[in-house]
This record gives sequence, structure tokens and C-alpha cells, in this order.
Amino acid sequence: AVRMTQSPSSISASTGDRVTITCRASEGISKYLAWYQQKPGKAPKPLIYGATSLHSGVPSRFSGSASGTYFTLTIDFLQPEDFSIYYCQQYGSYPYTFGQGTTLQIK
Amino acid sequence: QVQLQESGPRLVKPSETLALTCTVSGGSVTNTRHYWNWIRQPPGKRLEWIGYVYNSVTTYFNPSLESRLTISMDTSKNQFSLRLWSVNAADTAIYYCAKGNYGTPGNFDIWGQGTLVTVSS
Repeated sequence: AVRMTQSPSSISASTGDRVTITCRASEGISKYLAWYQQKPGKAPKPLIYGATSLHSGVPSRFSGSASGTYFTLTIDFLQPEDFSIYYCQQYGSYPYTFGQGTTLQIK
Repeated sequence: QVQLQESGPRLVKPSETLALTCTVSGGSVTNTRHYWNWIRQPPGKRLEWIGYVYNSVTTYFNPSLESRLTISMDTSKNQFSLRLWSVNAADTAIYYCAKGNYGTPGNFDIWGQGTLVTVSS
């Protein structure tokens, strides 16, 4: 199975900051990479698919990029509602696998 | 807009069978553009894809679970279901159903709210 490794595991930031979360795949997955946001007690919310495409309704301050087996999620001008857990997930190879999550917390 | 809702027992005894149902509203499980997935999240651990059913008969499972797993569809009730037998404490998790799409079945664009299933005697 493709191993997805996120870094950092947690990050502290302030409202208005720009943050970047990285996800590395153990094998090539093309651009079959998704990002989700999860709040306590809630289902993951889809943010990005195809490494760079935003789901409908997701604010434009979220963006994704890809370079080989490295993928990033960037959030510009952090808003209070952005403090959450973020997961990457690959769907380029069976079984689909998720990263361990990155907790974005208020500094 | 498609919506998903999980249902089923919240407590299952070790060695017994975990059975969950996902009811689809706002769309049809027979839509050949959609894949119907199960995903779980053990407490404090990462999400784990379980498998999917497509077009009533096509299934694909995570190899780590496939020896004790089945996923099926009930078109008359617009539902799809998960059955996992011989459960143990490691199967305690929040179970989610989620929709994927033709061409990218693993791109989960709609999720149910999830249901916590505890395996305990």
C-alpha cells in the first residue's frame, strides 16, 4: 500500500498567517491526491481533489500543489474557522490511503 | 444534492458481525457515475478506506479486511451495506459512508456524518 506521510504533525499559527502542510507519497500517484478538513465530532470535509482543484464552495484561500510524490496544502490569510485537522489521501492506487493528519492550532 | 446517512448497532460483541447501512437520499445508488464507499477512523488513528460497491455487483476491498468483509447494495431501499465478521476491539471506530465518482472512485466528495461502533463484551 502507498504510505502517505504528512508534515508537520501539528502547527501553531495566528489568524491572518499563511501556512503550508506537506504530504509525501511513498510511490508515484500521479495527481490523484485529495485534502480534507476535519473538525471534532464531524466527518471530513473535502477541500481539494486532483492535487490542485478546489471543491465547490471551498474558499480560494485554500490551494494545493504537486511536485512528484510531494504535495502541499497552503492556506492563505488564516481565518478562525480554519483551525482544524487536515488529512491528505491518495486515490491513485489500491488500497486508497490517508495521511496521519496535521493539527492546525491557534498560537 | 446527494446526502448519506449511516445506521446500525453501536455496540457489537467480539467475534460477532458488524453490520451497517448507508441510506442515500437526493440520488440513486444505481447511478453508474457513482461509487459507494465505506471508510473508518479508529479512535486517535488515521482514516482507513474499507472498500466500495459499484453498479450493484462490482466491489473492491482493502486487502487488510477483505477476508471478513462484504459490501452490498439494496436498490429497492436505495441503500448500501457493510458486513464485517469476526470483529475484535481493533474494529472499534467511527464508520463513514462516502461517495466517489466514475473515473475517480477514491475521490470522496460527499460523506455521511459517521457512526461510532464499539466492539466490546
